[in-house]
Amino acid sequence: AQSVTQPDIHITVSEGASLELRCNYSYGATPYLFWYVQSPGQGLQLLLKYFSGDTLVQGIKGFEAEFKRSQSSFNLRKPSVHWSDAAEYFCAVGGNTGGFKTIFGAGTRLFVKA
Amino acid sequence: NAGVTQTPKFRILKIGQSMTLQCTQDMNHNYMYWYRQDPGMGLKLIYYSVGAGITDKGEVPNGYNVSRSTTEDFPLRLELAAPSQTSVYFCASRPGLAAYNEQFFGPGTRLTVL
Repeated sequence: AQSVTQPDIHITVSEGASLELRCNYSYGATPYLFWYVQSPGQGLQLLLKYFSGDTLVQGIKGFEAEFKRSQSSFNLRKPSVHWSDAAEYFCAVGGNTGGFKTIFGAGTRLFVKA
Repeated sequence: NAGVTQTPKFRILKIGQSMTLQCTQDMNHNYMYWYRQDPGMGLKLIYYSVGAGITDKGEVPNGYNVSRSTTEDFPLRLELAAPSQTSVYFCASRPGLAAYNEQFFGPGTRLTVL
């Protein structure tokens, strides 16, 4: 079955500290992987995506993610967190299915403490 | 470009009432989606459309209906509101033809059924 697992419901980090959000997926075909961010009361915005090539992808706001096929993972990282990064983060996987449907993880809420 | 717009932003319904959630995009995207977001559950696909006149069910379609008469508009109809439909609803669109294209989300409609 196709699924996305984000094992951490919430994470708290200090401002300036590094961040890693975990994502594991199960997908029967070639996966197209995404990370979206949702600020309170807002819709989702794309941070970055992977579909081929270099397994380390760079995104907006200083985020990066690494695709590891052997571990079925696509973890999101940031070297130094800013207070404005507090939000909910969703990992998602899609592919060449009908309608290009995307499966979302349950999300990880990031809290940033001063 | 306004992107994806949704109306209303908030709505309270009584059990058994009906309503239509409006969604419009001005990016000429073929693909449009309706999701519901419940706490800790991520986004679940309700219905999607691959173009005007073509719609299909997603993961959780029961209690909802959609239509797509134009490229721009993709309204979601609730016929007999139930408390289980209390949720935040997001509309999204994407250009077609490639699975790696991202989705663009509206700001959401927060619906409460009492």
